[in-house]
Amino acid sequence: EAGVAQSPRYKIIEKRQSVAFWCNPISGHATLYWYQQILGQGPKLLIQFQNNGVVDDSQLPKDRFSAERLKGVDSTLKIQPAKLEDSAVYLCASSPGRGKTGAKDYGYTFGSGTRLTVV
Amino acid sequence: SQQGEEDPQALSIQEGENATMNCSYKTSINNLQWYRQNSGRGLVHLILIRSNEREKHSGRLRVTLDTSKKSSSLLITASRAADTASYFCATVAAGNKLTFGGGTRVLVKP
Repeated sequence: EAGVAQSPRYKIIEKRQSVAFWCNPISGHATLYWYQQILGQGPKLLIQFQNNGVVDDSQLPKDRFSAERLKGVDSTLKIQPAKLEDSAVYLCASSPGRGKTGAKDYGYTFGSGTRLTVV
Repeated sequence: SQQGEEDPQALSIQEGENATMNCSYKTSINNLQWYRQNSGRGLVHLILIRSNEREKHSGRLRVTLDTSKKSSSLLITASRAADTASYFCATVAAGNKLTFGGGTRVLVKP
């Protein structure tokens, strides 16, 4: 099966500019996640979608970050305006949501990420 | 916030040796997962252990889980140069939310 697709692969912008990232999850996966990974750290969850609804966005800096998942498939993450500290890799992941038994017990599939550099 | 914390932060071993890394977490979980990340690449799922399991094997990987101590370990046996990567533990708690630790950087020297 095709993996999680992300674009662009790299992006360099100046501070105060805006930027958008795109993610296409695995077909049929109900849950989609955006993570921010700063160099040398583990990924931090920004937002979690279940179909086209937001489940958790408690760590999303809503004054500058926004995300949407129209029609419950593709998703975009936007930063406006960008700050220097937003330099990171932005990872998208998807999962089926629930297993056949109803348990949430399978691994998540990650895309290759978008490396953002804000100068 | 980080749920899991890995120990050690970095590990350097010779090819053929075993590599062991540990993970501690804070809250009750549904399952715990380990991921590998090669430099500049995305995360790859390695193995998942449910909260009612104590040990699991997959190829050269062995994972243990002690829910009473809120800790897990990942053992890579007979390491290879290709195992050089960062390894992250991640927990799934209520709400199907996957929360990562800070990772262990493993260097396998040929």
